[in-house]
Amino acid sequence: KQEVTQIPAALSVPEGENLVLNCSFTDSAIYNLQWFRQDPGKGLTSLLLIQSSQREQTSGRLNASLDKSSGRSTLYIAASQPGDSATYLCAASRGGNKLVFGAGTILRVKS
Amino acid sequence: GAGVSQSPRYKVAKRGQDVALRCDPISGHVSLFWYQQALGQGPEFLTYFQNEAQLDKSGLPSDRFFAERPEGSVSTLKIQRTQQEDSAVYLCAGQVGTGGVGELFFGEGSRLTVL
Repeated sequence: KQEVTQIPAALSVPEGENLVLNCSFTDSAIYNLQWFRQDPGKGLTSLLLIQSSQREQTSGRLNASLDKSSGRSTLYIAASQPGDSATYLCAASRGGNKLVFGAGTILRVKS
Repeated sequence: GAGVSQSPRYKVAKRGQDVALRCDPISGHVSLFWYQQALGQGPEFLTYFQNEAQLDKSGLPSDRFFAERPEGSVSTLKIQRTQQEDSAVYLCAGQVGTGGVGELFFGEGSRLTVL
C-alpha cells in the first residue's frame, strides 16, 4: 500500500528565503507525482505534475524534482513571498485513478 | 462553468440524518473523483467515475456512502445515517483524460459537520 509522507509538517520563513519541501513515498512504481497548493477553506490547485519518466518540472519560482529510486520528491520555492503562504500537498499516482496524498506542509512566509 | 462547483459549501447535520453533496464539474471532463479530507490531513480517495460509469468505489468507507453520476456530468455523493466520524471536507475533482493522466481540477469542497 502506497504511503506518502511530507516533511516538515510546518515551516515558517522570512520573506525572500529559498526553501525546500520534502515528500517521500514507499512504492516507487508510481505513474506520476503531483504537487498541490491549498489555501485555507479552499480546494486544491495543481502546481506541478512530474511524470515517472521525468526528473523535474519548473514553473516560475517553483521547481519540483522526482527520484523514483529513492522514493523522494522535493518542491523548491525560490525567493519566497507572503502570498506563498499555504499548505503544500504532494500526491503519488500509480496509474489507475487514485492519488495518494501526504498530510501536507503548512508554509508561512513572514513579511 | 469556469471551474468545478460544489454545493453546499457548508452543511451541518444531526447524527443519523442523510446528506447529499453535489459536484458540477468542468464541461468536457470525462473523469470525476471524490475525495474526503479530514482536518489536518491530506485528501483520501473515495470513488472515481469515467463519464457515467463508476469504475472504482474502493475508497468508500462504508455502505452508507453512495455516489452517482447518471448523465456523465453532475455527480452527487450521498451519505446515509451520518455519523460524527463522517465530519470532513468532501472534495470533487475533474480531469479531461482517463487513467490518471493529466492535471486534476478541484472544487472548493463541501464541509460537513455532523453533530
